[in-house]
Amino acid sequence: AQSVTQLDSHVSVSEGTPVLLRCNYSSSYSPSLFWYVQHPNKGLQLLLKYTSAATLVKGINGFEAEFKKSETSFHLTKPSAHMSDAAEYFCVVSRRSQGNLIFGKGTKLSVKP
Amino acid sequence: DTAVSQTPKYLVTQMGNDKSIKCEQNLGHDTMYWYKQDSKKFLKIMFSYNNKELIINETVPNRFSPKSPDKAHLNLHINSLELGDSAVYFCASRLGQGGYNEQFFGPGTRLTVL
Repeated sequence: AQSVTQLDSHVSVSEGTPVLLRCNYSSSYSPSLFWYVQHPNKGLQLLLKYTSAATLVKGINGFEAEFKKSETSFHLTKPSAHMSDAAEYFCVVSRRSQGNLIFGKGTKLSVKP
Repeated sequence: DTAVSQTPKYLVTQMGNDKSIKCEQNLGHDTMYWYKQDSKKFLKIMFSYNNKELIINETVPNRFSPKSPDKAHLNLHINSLELGDSAVYFCASRLGQGGYNEQFFGPGTRLTVL
């Protein structure tokens, strides 16, 4: 069985400060892991994905995430938040051999000026 | 060009009605999905089709019937709509069924049942 836990339902940061969105996963199989972002009233956009290559994954808009098998974590980071980063972020796990995506409950990121 | 498109974007209807949501992708993908996002933003898969064949059918009432006329289209028909069906419905597509490929999502259809 697979599951994803996003440890914070809401994170608030000031513009220009670092962002950390935490995600832990559980998987009986080698997982693929994704971060998606959803801006208000929009669809989901892929930020980055891990599928067994480098454990440090770089994505769009300056985001990156590190796969840590020993900690079963896949936290999302960004060195400096921008106002346009305010959105809902979803951590997602999938079995590499099958495409069913399991979503976390989401973390809402607020960015203060 | 829109990769995954859905129509309509908004749908407001009365309980008991029947409605359809259409989805089209122009990415050449062979696997398509329907997801439901509830009021708490939780996303859950409903159906998956690969090459027009049903692959995944989660615990969804049989009032929901997906139809895939070809690989580029996956429509969702809902009979006898209930208040609890109010949600945002997302269509998605992917190349192949392997979990290593990302899914591409449509903009969503916000269904409100009165």
